[in-house]
Amino acid sequence: DQQVKQNSPSLSVQEGRISILNCDYTNSMFDYFLWYKKYPAEGPTFLISISSIKDKNEDGRFTVFLNKSAKHLSLHIVPSQPGDSAVYFCAASPNGSGNTGKLIFGQGTTLQVKP
Amino acid sequence: NAGVMQNPRHLVRRRGQEARLRCSPMKGHSHVYWYRQLPEEGLKFMVYLQKENIIDESGMPKERFSAEFPKEGPSILRIQQVVRGDSAAYFCASSPSGSGQPQHFGDGTRLSIL
Repeated sequence: DQQVKQNSPSLSVQEGRISILNCDYTNSMFDYFLWYKKYPAEGPTFLISISSIKDKNEDGRFTVFLNKSAKHLSLHIVPSQPGDSAVYFCAASPNGSGNTGKLIFGQGTTLQVKP
Repeated sequence: NAGVMQNPRHLVRRRGQEARLRCSPMKGHSHVYWYRQLPEEGLKFMVYLQKENIIDESGMPKERFSAEFPKEGPSILRIQQVVRGDSAAYFCASSPSGSGQPQHFGDGTRLSIL
């Protein structure tokens, strides 16, 4: 039962253009969402997060959008740079009593930014 | 990923041996999470610990796996009598509180079972 889904295994964009990575979730109890970037042989690096009380959060070149009614979030990177080439994971955390903060991850999307 | 330290980075074991994976959280973080990543998959939650307490072990296999986070020293993930299917990357993450804040990850331990 994949509660967090990243349906695009890979994405290729040109340097300077916008990269849009998508993520869908099924559990309406999720109330905190994060994006991580991962290089080979390294651990995930936190990029940006958003709580369910907001629909947008921006940090430099990275913006996360949350559409609660569609259970969909996206990460926009603009302008994209070759150093952004990595695997991107979205993750979600459920709320409610007994919430322990554990993260449920999607399968990841490999982004390639071409010079 | 400075801050969360995992060792060893690579661990090779033969079937039936024990594997011990260590994790020191970021300074000031008392919440530790362990995740496992199988090839071509995302990370799967295993266990969540605070100092001396297991808070959530809903992702841990029922047998052979155990975790601890003692008052002094690193958190330990222990796998007894390893099998080939235990081959994976094991990541530790820490946070200053249990929810609503980002978890910061170490670089993982890559476990290979011969």
